Amino acid sequence: AQKVTQAQTEISVVEKEDVTLDCVYETRDTTYYLFWYKQPPSGELVFLIRRNSFDEQNEISGRYSWNFQKSTSSFNFTITASQVVDSAVYFCALSAQSGGGADGLTFGKGTHLIIQP
Amino acid sequence: NAGVTQTPKFQVLKTGQSMTLQCAQDMNHEYMSWYRQDPGMGLRLIHYSVGAGITDQGEVPNGYNVSRSTTEDFPLRLLSAAPSQTSVYFCASSPYPGSNQPQHFGDGTRLSIL
Repeated sequence: AQKVTQAQTEISVVEKEDVTLDCVYETRDTTYYLFWYKQPPSGELVFLIRRNSFDEQNEISGRYSWNFQKSTSSFNFTITASQVVDSAVYFCALSAQSGGGADGLTFGKGTHLIIQP
Repeated sequence: NAGVTQTPKFQVLKTGQSMTLQCAQDMNHEYMSWYRQDPGMGLRLIHYSVGAGITDQGEVPNGYNVSRSTTEDFPLRLLSAAPSQTSVYFCASSPYPGSNQPQHFGDGTRLSIL
């Protein structure tokens, strides 16, 4: 069975601080895909990134970066120089298929990130 | 390009009432799924479909019914609503295995059962 653990329920930082959201996963599949989604206060789910199990290169997109480490089964997400607009709930998710698969994504419980001005 | 459309956006029901949450996608995706989101629980899979005429249960299927008569539509039915079904419901679609497209989500339906 697949499992995703986001141990940080809520994180509060002051604007411009860097913040890392942790994600630890469990799977028996040799091929799998990891995702991060953002859920702003408006409620929709915004896709941020997908990473497959064969690509351990770190990814950087503007102020966002992701650190994938198979040795520790972790896929952590860092926001550099955080902004108030980054305030949201962030979900880490896992699937055996690249598109999220027939049987969907396994989500973590989410981390509520609060950026204080 | 509408993507995944869910209706209604909000609904209040009384215990015991029935209701259908609608989900439609215009991307010709084979796979469609329903999730529910509860505080502190993340999103949990209710039912999913791998194509027209084929559905299966997810993690939390009890109290819900689905059918998939067309590729585009995947309605979720509550036959006798219970307060425990108060939640936000998300429909999602994704293409065939190996596609580079990630799962697309609708904007959600906020359902309250009194």
